[in-house]
Amino acid sequence: ENVLTQSPGTLSLSPGERATLSCRASQSVSRNYLAWYQQKPGQAPRLLIYGASSRATGIPDRFSGSGSGTDFTLTISRLEPEDFAVYHCQQHGTSKTFGPGTKVDIK
Amino acid sequence: EVQLVESGGGLVQPGGSLRLSCAASGFTFSSYWMSWVRQAPGKGLEWVANIKTDGSAKYYIDSVKGRFTISRDNAKNSLSLQMNSLRAEDTAVYYCARDEIAGYFNYWGQGALVTVSS
Repeated sequence: ENVLTQSPGTLSLSPGERATLSCRASQSVSRNYLAWYQQKPGQAPRLLIYGASSRATGIPDRFSGSGSGTDFTLTISRLEPEDFAVYHCQQHGTSKTFGPGTKVDIK
Repeated sequence: EVQLVESGGGLVQPGGSLRLSCAASGFTFSSYWMSWVRQAPGKGLEWVANIKTDGSAKYYIDSVKGRFTISRDNAKNSLSLQMNSLRAEDTAVYYCARDEIAGYFNYWGQGALVTVSS
């Protein structure tokens, strides 16, 4: 089983700052099938990025994904107030495991 | 507009059964694989099961094999999850989600809370 680890567990930042979230896989992710989701309290997850770097429809360009193999990054260039949330990575394709999540909270 | 609406959640005793349903609309349901994803309180997301477009293939996470059954009714645009022999560790919000071709989830329901407790 390919285990996903996310770091840090919590990221405390101020609006306007840059956020860099990491997702590391224990084995190479096939075809770089790595997705990122945003989840706010009491809500379903929202797809941000798929295929490591493709933005989903309607996602602002301040969100970007990068990486390949076992190391992936979600970058939020300038945090808006609505971006404070939990972010999950997921390997998609036939295997669909998720990472434990990174909480981005207000400093 | 794509909509997924879960129902059937509730409180059940350990060892009991519960059936979740998901009503789909706004897309050609029979053209998509569908999944159930759960989230235990305060925890991360966990994919549970998925089902092929025509119901001919089904896959499960190891911890629910033999206890949970995923099914679909394409005529009624409906997805179900029959959960038997429920355990405390099955307590979670259960989401139905549409599988995109590459296996990520672009559409999710609002979730149904299942609590397994005596």
